[in-house]
Amino acid sequence: TQLLEQSPQFLSIQEGENLTVYCNSSSVFSSLQWYRQEPGEGPVLLVTVVTGGEVKKLKRLTFQFGDARKDSSLHITAAQPGDTGLYLCAGEEYGNKLVFGAGTILRVKS
Amino acid sequence: GAGVSQSPSNKVTEKGKDVELRCDPISGHTALYWYRQSLGQGLEFLIYFQGNSAPDKSGLPSDRFSAERTGGSVSTLTIQRTQQEDSAVYLCASSLDRFSYNEQFFGPGTRLTVL
Repeated sequence: TQLLEQSPQFLSIQEGENLTVYCNSSSVFSSLQWYRQEPGEGPVLLVTVVTGGEVKKLKRLTFQFGDARKDSSLHITAAQPGDTGLYLCAGEEYGNKLVFGAGTILRVKS
Repeated sequence: GAGVSQSPSNKVTEKGKDVELRCDPISGHTALYWYRQSLGQGLEFLIYFQGNSAPDKSGLPSDRFSAERTGGSVSTLTIQRTQQEDSAVYLCASSLDRFSYNEQFFGPGTRLTVL
């Protein structure tokens, strides 16, 4: 099983600040997904990136897949308290099996 | 339509007892996945089903863990002789099929506490 390292583990920022979360591996994945999870709920898919170098934007969130398909980043612009949650990256192995990073806990203070 | 449901939402048990966790996937989804999430950790893959068969059981931590799926729908994860290290949130997900890029839809999880 391939491993995904996610950083930072915890982020506490003020409303309006920007932040970036990183997801790195020494292995290549066929796709990489980003999820957001709130307490007491399961993860919810935010985006799937498939092509090396791909950049996807979802309102204030920008996702990038590395050229070699081994790493990815999530950038949030002008963070809001509603962005608070656990952010998880997941690399896809065979059979749609996902390998998850340990997650980044984001807290946005108003 | 209804999403993935899991029951019970919380389970407290004594060490050594057996527990059964249930997952109802989204209707029509042929692929079903079980994950375990420990406090402060990401999700750990346990097993996945395509229909009623389990091509990949590689993530099951020990032979105390087993899972079955009947009728291509409901799945049960059974943990025998529970240990304290089994305490975690057990998440189930389903997807349309097991092919690439299909979104996995997660249930809310079952929080298992072994005393």
